[in-house]
Amino acid sequence: DSGVTQTPKHLITATGQRVTLRCSPRSGDLSVYWYQQSLDQGLQFLIQYYNGEERAKGNILERFSAQQFPDLHSELNLSSLELGDSALYFCASNLRGRTDTQYFGPGTRLTVL
Amino acid sequence: DQQVKQNSPSLSVQEGRISILNCDYTNSMFDYFLWYKKYPAEGPTFLISISSIKDKNEDGRFTVFLNKSAKHLSLHIVPSQPGDSAVYFCAASANAGNNRKLIWGLGTSLAVNP
Repeated sequence: DSGVTQTPKHLITATGQRVTLRCSPRSGDLSVYWYQQSLDQGLQFLIQYYNGEERAKGNILERFSAQQFPDLHSELNLSSLELGDSALYFCASNLRGRTDTQYFGPGTRLTVL
Repeated sequence: DQQVKQNSPSLSVQEGRISILNCDYTNSMFDYFLWYKKYPAEGPTFLISISSIKDKNEDGRFTVFLNKSAKHLSLHIVPSQPGDSAVYFCAASANAGNNRKLIWGLGTSLAVNP
C-alpha cells in the first residue's frame, strides 16, 4: 500500500459526459502527478501540482483540467469524453516535487461507451 | 517520438536465472533514471534508480547499469523469482528547473516460470 488513494476505482460513462477523478496523496506529500495509461501508450504524464500550484504540464488535452486543493488532495476533470479517453488514470505523489520516487495510487479505470 | 524505449514488450525467464530488461533513450539531457514495477490492477511501484554520475546501482537482487555513451540502461534481476512476474517500466528525467518531469517507456512484461 503506497498511501496514495484514488476514487473511484472504476468509472463507466458515455461519450460527451464529464467525470471527476479524485486523488489523496501520501500524508505529508506536497506534490501530485496525474498519468494516463492507455492500452498501447504506456504511461503518459498529464500534469503535476506542487502545494496547490501547477508545476509541470505534459500531454494533457484542453478538455482535461486538474487542481490541487488546500488540503493537498487533487482532482482531475475530464469533459466532453470520447471513446479514446478510456484508460487507466494514475495519481502519484512525493514530498518535494522532484520526479524521483513517485508513489502511485491504484488507479481509476475509466470506460467511455 | 518515444524518447525512452523498451524494445522488448515481453520476456520469459526460468526461476533462479537472470532476468535482463533493457531500456534505450535518445535525449542526452536525461540525468536520472528509474525502474518501476507494476502488477495488474495496481499502480507502479518504485524499484531502483540511478543518477547519470554513476554507472551501476545495486539493491539486493536488483542492479541497474547505465551506459551513457550508448544511451542504454539495463535492469538485472538475480536470481529471478516467480513473484517478479510483472510489467517493468523504465523512466528518465532531465534537469529543467521546475519543469522536470518523468518520461516513461512502454514497459516490458516479465514472466518468471517456476
